Amino acid sequence: EAGVVQSPRYKIIEKKQPVAFWCNPISGHNTLYWYLQNLGQGPELLIRYENEEAVDDSQLPKDRFSAERLKGVDSTLKIQPAELGDSAVYLCASRGKNTGELFFGEGSRLTVL
Amino acid sequence: TQLLEQSPQFLSIQEGENLTVYCNSSSVFSSLQWYRQEPGEGPVLLVTVVTGGEVKKLKRLTFQFGDARKDSSLHITAAQTGDTGLYLCAVSGAGSYQLTFGKGTKLSVIP
Repeated sequence: EAGVVQSPRYKIIEKKQPVAFWCNPISGHNTLYWYLQNLGQGPELLIRYENEEAVDDSQLPKDRFSAERLKGVDSTLKIQPAELGDSAVYLCASRGKNTGELFFGEGSRLTVL
Repeated sequence: TQLLEQSPQFLSIQEGENLTVYCNSSSVFSSLQWYRQEPGEGPVLLVTVVTGGEVKKLKRLTFQFGDARKDSSLHITAAQTGDTGLYLCAVSGAGSYQLTFGKGTKLSVIP
C-alpha cells in the first residue's frame, strides 16, 4: 500500500512568488494534516482536515497561506506571496479512523531567496 | 511556553553506549507518542503509551510513561549508527487527534 505522497520534494523560489504543495494521503484516511517544520525543530500544525472540512486552522497564517481538500482526498497548501521566513519543510500526514498514529509524507522543502 | 520540553536538545555518543532522552510537561496527557525522523524523511511512529507508569520495549528501545502521565523517557541500549535521527515526543488533547510535537532530541551515533 502506498504511503502519503507529497510533491514537489524541493522548491526554490524568490520572495513574493507564489508556491503550492500537493499531498495525497493514504487511501481511506479521513484525517489530513499539514505541518511546518523548521530545521532541527519539531513539526508545528498548520491545519487539520476531517474529510473536506478544515476543523483546526488556527495556526495557519491566513493572510498568505491557504489550503483546500475539495473532495476529501488530496489536498493542496498554497503560499502567496512567499516570504524569506517561509523557508522550511512542509509535511503532510494522514490518519485512519480510531487510531492515533499519524503517517507522514517525506515533506516538501521550500527555500525562499 | 512550550507544551512539551524535550532534553537534551542534542546528543552525540559512540556506538555501543546507552542513552536516555526525556519529554516533560506540566500538563497531564491521556497518551503520548514517540516518533523518530531520519534526515529527508517524515517522522515515523515508534510507540504510543497510555497508562501511567507503563513501560514498553521495542528491541533495544525502552519507553516509559510517568506515573502522573506528565512525562516520558526513551532509553536506548547499545546504540547503533542506525539509531541516528531526531526523536520527537507528541501528545494529543483528550478526545482529540490534534497532535502537538516537542522540539525533539537530535541524536548522532558515531561509529
